[in-house]
Amino acid sequence: EVVLTQSPATLSLSPGERATLSCRTSQSVSNYLAWYQQKPGQAPRLLIYDASNRATGIPARFSGSGSGTDFTLTMSSLEPEDFAVYYCQHRTGWPWTFGQGTKVEI
Amino acid sequence: EVQLVESGGGLVQPGGSLRLSCAASGFTFSDYTMHWLRQTPGKGLECVSAINPTGATTFYTNSVKGRFSISRDNSKNTLYLQMGSLRPEDMAIYYCARLSSGSWFDCWGQGTLVTVSS
Repeated sequence: EVVLTQSPATLSLSPGERATLSCRTSQSVSNYLAWYQQKPGQAPRLLIYDASNRATGIPARFSGSGSGTDFTLTMSSLEPEDFAVYYCQHRTGWPWTFGQGTKVEI
Repeated sequence: EVQLVESGGGLVQPGGSLRLSCAASGFTFSDYTMHWLRQTPGKGLECVSAINPTGATTFYTNSVKGRFSISRDNSKNTLYLQMGSLRPEDMAIYYCARLSSGSWFDCWGQGTLVTVSS
C-alpha cells in the first residue's frame, strides 16, 4: 500500500498570502496524484488531477506540481473561501489511498 | 446538475447489517465506475469499494472483504453498499463518488453517517 504523507499538518496564514502544501508518497506514483479540498460538513471536492491539471471550475490561483514521490499544491493568494483541509490521493494500484490532510487556517 | 445522494446510514449494533444507497442524477450513470469511500477522524479518507459500469467487476479494501458487497442498478441510477458483520471500526461517514473518465473522484455525495455501537 502506498503511504501518502502531507506536510505541514496545519498551515496558519492570512488572506492574500501564498500557501504551499506538500505531499510525499512512499513509492513513485508517476503523475497519478490528485488534490481535494474539504470544508466542514462537506464532501471533498476535486481540485487538481494528474498532479498539475485543474479540475473544472477551479480558479487559476490553485496549481499543482511534482511527479514521482514529491508533489506540491500551491495557492498563489489565499481567498477567505480557501481556508479548509486539503488532501492528496494517488491511484497507482489498489487500494488507492489518501494523505492525512493539511488544514489551512486563518 | 450532477448529483449523488446517499441514504441508509444510521445506528447499528456490532455484528449487524445495513444497506446504503446512492441515487445518481444529472449524468448517464451506466457510463461510470462508482466508488464507496469512508471518512473517520482517526483513519481519514479510505476507499472502501468500487464497481465498474456494468457491475461485472468489483473491488474491496481488505478490511471489508467478505463482509461488504457493492452493487448497482443502472435502470434505477442507484449504487448500493450492503454492509454485514459490522464492527466499531466501520463507523464512519460513507460517501459515494463518481470516477471521472480520467479516473479521479470528480463528484461526491453529501455522505451518510454509519454508527456501530451497542
